[in-house]
Amino acid sequence: QQPVQSPQAVILREGEDAVINCSSSKALYSVHWYRQKHGEAPVFLMILLKGGEQKGHEKISASFNEKKQQSSLYLTASQLSYSGTYFCGTRSQGAQKLVFGQGTRLTINP
Amino acid sequence: GAGVSQSPSNKVTEKGKDVELRCDPISGHTALYWYRQSLGQGLEFLIYFQGNSAPDKSGLPSDRFSAERTGGSVSTLTIQRTQQEDSAVYLCASSLGPTSGPYEQYFGPGTRLTVT
Repeated sequence: QQPVQSPQAVILREGEDAVINCSSSKALYSVHWYRQKHGEAPVFLMILLKGGEQKGHEKISASFNEKKQQSSLYLTASQLSYSGTYFCGTRSQGAQKLVFGQGTRLTINP
Repeated sequence: GAGVSQSPSNKVTEKGKDVELRCDPISGHTALYWYRQSLGQGLEFLIYFQGNSAPDKSGLPSDRFSAERTGGSVSTLTIQRTQQEDSAVYLCASSLGPTSGPYEQYFGPGTRLTVT
């Protein structure tokens, strides 16, 4: 079952904050976040494992709520370089594959 | 070191022809994945290799699709009797270990397949 990402698209001005959500109907073991710029391969941002941990990467952080089977990606004080499409990939316990959401297109304007 | 490489970068083929797509993973990476990305869409899982075996082939869309991995390294995705709906970017990724561990996947640049 494909996770649902929201919003589908967001437009920000440089310096503004954004939150991207990823929800699954299945019990999750881990959530992987990637960013893909147009015409390029996806680039890894972070992994969140079961345990509700929060992680950070520069001004990008994420949380994983096991009870809700939901992960959120937080981008603070966004920079122009943050533009791209963000994908969450979810792994259910016992499975080896990642199932990716449809993506959230983030546009940062000066 | 070198990242994941894929060849060809672009492939245009006629409907009904067979195509082979190649992936060279990062040296030492035991896990290898194939995904398909249609225009403006997300990543669709195709197949996962751990070493030379494929414990999960559940994403292969039809029996026209097959993949193999040899020597725990290079992988080839073969599409027989291509159809127009096969047109997409085919992405390969590799990681140090299985998805069950905290291993990130490194993606290659992809092969853009166009079936005319």
